Amino acid sequence: QQPVQSPQAVILREGEDAVINCSSSKALYSVHWYRQKHGEAPVFLMILLKGGEQKGHDKISASFNEKKQQSSLYLTASQLSYSGTYFCGTGTAKEGTYKYIFGTGTRLKVLA
Amino acid sequence: DAGVIQSPRHEVTEMGQEVTLRCKPISGHNSLFWYRQTMMRGLELLIYFNNNVPIDDSGMPEDRFSAKMPNASFSTLKIQPSEPRDSAVYFCASCIAGGWSNQPQHFGDGTRLSIL
Repeated sequence: QQPVQSPQAVILREGEDAVINCSSSKALYSVHWYRQKHGEAPVFLMILLKGGEQKGHDKISASFNEKKQQSSLYLTASQLSYSGTYFCGTGTAKEGTYKYIFGTGTRLKVLA
Repeated sequence: DAGVIQSPRHEVTEMGQEVTLRCKPISGHNSLFWYRQTMMRGLELLIYFNNNVPIDDSGMPEDRFSAKMPNASFSTLKIQPSEPRDSAVYFCASCIAGGWSNQPQHFGDGTRLSIL
């Protein structure tokens, strides 16, 4: 039931790109992306509300494929500050009630 | 503006003791969430409130866990009696109401709970 993220972990050099995927077995109404640094709280990155929606912020962007029930986070020209664990948070419906479930997480490490 | 405030930041107690975690949401935020984070299970939603009313508590692990929100600026998560498997980081988050699924959640710094 928990959305599956891939890859589980990735190591990059500064300036390299990465893609993190979030796949759900249920229909998605919304997808949130958060980044959590070690020992800290998750920090909001962006929300996607409509199938096909794409958003971008600085060099981080995301897409939402409603039909495929998945979302992808794109990190371009990665910086050291991008290191952390990325979580997707998915909004689904169960028995008439919205459910919010975080994905399995992707650990990302950017090296100098 | 102050963010979500949680207390205590760290709690170490013996098995069987009662534990109370506290949360003050951001002023004006009407939705409040309690999460538990462990290495094995990741981030789990325990319960969420909308306008001080519990909407979904299906994530609460068992009857030993209870949560209250007596007013818009305060919530508690209580574990009684506590067990070693309750050891985790507990986060509180809040967001603007009116459709929490399309609003960003703001997290507190968390309470690191250790049950010996």
